[in-house]
Amino acid sequence: GAGVSQSPSNKVTEKGKDVELRCDPISGHTALYWYRQRLGQGLEFLIYFQGNSAPDKSGLPSDRFSAERTGESVSTLTIQRTQQEDSAVYLCASSLGLAGDYEQYFGPGTRLTVT
Amino acid sequence: SQQGEEDPQALSIQEGENATMNCSYKTSINNLQWYRQNSGRGLVHLILIRSNEREKHSGRLRVTLDTSKKSSSLLITASRAADTASYFCATDETGGNEKLTFGTGTRLTIIP
Repeated sequence: GAGVSQSPSNKVTEKGKDVELRCDPISGHTALYWYRQRLGQGLEFLIYFQGNSAPDKSGLPSDRFSAERTGESVSTLTIQRTQQEDSAVYLCASSLGLAGDYEQYFGPGTRLTVT
Repeated sequence: SQQGEEDPQALSIQEGENATMNCSYKTSINNLQWYRQNSGRGLVHLILIRSNEREKHSGRLRVTLDTSKKSSSLLITASRAADTASYFCATDETGGNEKLTFGTGTRLTIIP
């Protein structure tokens, strides 16, 4: 079946504009994660969703960042009033359950460039 | 410093040689996973090793885990050009709210 998909693959935006990034997880995967990866760096956890539980937003860097997930399907990550330091690749991953026991399947990422 | 730190940061070897990468972490973990990333995009899961396991194999991959030293190693035997990628360890910390903490990665280059 299809893997995790993300759109757009690349996004260039002007500083101060809002952007919305989309993630389509693998069907049946209850857990969904968002990460940020700056150039040459490791992955920085942002937020995860698990079923109908309240999301873990502990990694969101500021109140400009928010994310939603509809049931166990699509998720959107919104960044308001973008800043240049938001430039990074945003990766989405889904899994059958929470991190401990399950591997995560990653999408190809959205490369965000804020000019 | 970060929970997971890979060592070395970069490694270049000749095709056919073995490559060893290490990961150190700071807290107690439930398990540790290794991922590969090509071209700065999506990661691919390689192997998961649980805290009560000491060694695990998958094809040309061999992973060890030493919880007393809080370290893990990834060995790739008989390397191929296609193994060129960045490799990350990721830990599931005990009581860590079920999220993986990724290390900073090792950039592996296989020279044909």
